[in-house]
This record gives sequence, structure tokens and C-alpha cells, in this order.
Amino acid sequence: GAGVSQSPSNKVTEKGKDVELRCDPISGHTALYWYRQRLGQGLEFLIYFQGNSAPDKSGLPSDRFSAERTGESVSTLTIQRTQQEDSAVYLCASSFTGTTYNEQFFGPGTRLTVL
Amino acid sequence: QKEVEQDPGPLSVPEGAIVSLNCTYSNSAFQYFMWYRQYSRKGPELLMYTYSSGNKEDGRFTAQVDKSSKYISLFIRDSQPSDSATYLCAMSEITGNQFYFGTGTSLTVIP
Repeated sequence: GAGVSQSPSNKVTEKGKDVELRCDPISGHTALYWYRQRLGQGLEFLIYFQGNSAPDKSGLPSDRFSAERTGESVSTLTIQRTQQEDSAVYLCASSFTGTTYNEQFFGPGTRLTVL
Repeated sequence: QKEVEQDPGPLSVPEGAIVSLNCTYSNSAFQYFMWYRQYSRKGPELLMYTYSSGNKEDGRFTAQVDKSSKYISLFIRDSQPSDSATYLCAMSEITGNQFYFGTGTSLTVIP
């Protein structure tokens, strides 16, 4: 079956512009995660959605970052007034549930470059 | 201090060698320990996971967890060029929803 998909695969933008990144999780997965992966660094947790519960936004680095998810489907991560330090690969992952251990399935990521 | 520490490498070995990858951590509440493999320009994929302490073997791969030392390892036997990738360790508590990742170790297996 289809895995996690993300779009666009690459995004180049100018400093100060807003960007929207999209994630389509695996059908039936209730949990969805966004991570940021800077060059040479590990995955940095950004935000977590579980079903209809309030999202865990504790990893968002600033108020320029926000994310939405409609039910248990598509999620969008929005970065406003992009800065050069926002350049990174943004990864989305989904799992059956976020409680206890469940395997996270990752998308291929969106590579964001802020000029 | 980071929650999870991992030597970024790079690590280069000849084909057939035994590879040892390691992570240390500081949070004694971690109970789930995972190893992900990430090929260039791809998302990470789960390789192995272990609950609590002990060893787990899957083909050429063995995962070890030593909770007393807060140290985990992944061994790759008879390494192949197709094993060339970045290997990330990840950990989580038994409750909660956050996974803590290491920086990843870049491995190249030379034919």
C-alpha cells in the first residue's frame, strides 16, 4: 500500500516568505509527527497529532511555525517569515497510535532552502 | 547535555567487516530503543527495536541495550555495500509520544 507522502519534495524560497509543507499519512494511522533534520544533525521533534486530541506543540521552535491536521488525514506545516536557519529537511511520520510503542513510518521529506 | 548522543562518524569499512554503532543517553525513563536506517535523500526506516534491556537479533543485525550503562549498540555482521547509509538511534519513554533521536552515524561499506 501507499506509504507516507510529502510535498513538495524540494522548496526554495526567499527569506521572509511563508511556506506550506504537506504530509499525507498512511490511511488509518491516527498519529502524525513532524520533525526537522538539519544538515549533520539528528531529527528534531516539532509537533505531534493524535486523533482528535489537542496536538503536542512543545517542539515548535518559534511562533513562526504552526501545523494543522484535518481529522486523521492530511497535515500541513506552515513556516511564516522564513529565515535562513529554517533551511532543513522536514520529515513527517505516521503511526497507528501514539501511545506506547508503535512504529513510525516516515515520508521522504521536504528539503527547504531559504535564500 | 543532549538526551541522546551518537558519534556522527563518518565510518568507512571494507565489505564483510563487522560494524559497531553506538549511542548513549541520559534519561533513565527510556524503555523503547530503536535503530533507523536512512539512505540518502530518503526518510528513515525502522531497522530494529528493543524494549528494555537485552539483545535482539535479526539476520545480520543485532541490537543490544545496556540500561545500567545507558548505552545501546547495533552490530552489523558481514557488512555489504547496500548497508551504506546513515544509522540513527531513537528512544522513547513507555508513556508519552516523543521520540528522541541521535544525530546519526554515516556508514560506508567499501566493496
